[in-house]
Amino acid sequence: DIQMTQSPSSVSASVGDRVTITCRASQGISNWLVWYQQKPGKAPKLLIYTASTLQSGVPSRFSGSGSGTDFTLTISSLQPEDSATYYCQQADSFPITFGQGTRLEIK
Amino acid sequence: QVRLVQSGPEVKKPGASVSVSCKASGYTLTTYDLSWVRQAPGQGLEWMGWIRPYNGNTNYAQKFQGRVTMTTDTSTNTAYMELRSLRSDDTAMYYCATYSSSYGWYDPWGQGTLVTVSS
Repeated sequence: DIQMTQSPSSVSASVGDRVTITCRASQGISNWLVWYQQKPGKAPKLLIYTASTLQSGVPSRFSGSGSGTDFTLTISSLQPEDSATYYCQQADSFPITFGQGTRLEIK
Repeated sequence: QVRLVQSGPEVKKPGASVSVSCKASGYTLTTYDLSWVRQAPGQGLEWMGWIRPYNGNTNYAQKFQGRVTMTTDTSTNTAYMELRSLRSDDTAMYYCATYSSSYGWYDPWGQGTLVTVSS
């Protein structure tokens, strides 16, 4: 199975800050990488797919990059509504696996 | 509008089985693949398996092999996930989600079904 490791596990930042979350795959997955945002009591929400493609309706302050084993999710200017847990997911092969999540808190 | 609506919360005793349904609206279930993902309280997302409603093909996570069955009923546009021999650590929110085999994403997701296993 492909292991997905996110860092940091949690981060606290201020409104307007630039925040970067990383995700590392245990083996190369090309660009088969998806990012989700999950708020308490809600289902995950799709943000980015194929590593860098922004889902329709997602604010442009979110961006993704990377290929192979190392990926990043960047929020260019943090907003209060971005407080959530973020997950990466590999779609290269079954079983589908998720990172352990990164909890983002607004200071 | 594509939407998945899941059945309501369940409370089960250890050793019992649970069946969770996931009704698709706004599209025909056989158009896309579907997966079940669970999330234990305060924990991350755990993939349980995948089904291709078009032909019924499935792929289950090894952890759940022999305990889970995923099916679809195309006449009612509904998917089902049955989990047997429940244990306390099966207590979780269970989600169904449409899977794009072209792009690898899950979207949309159902609202989730809380399954509580307690004696």
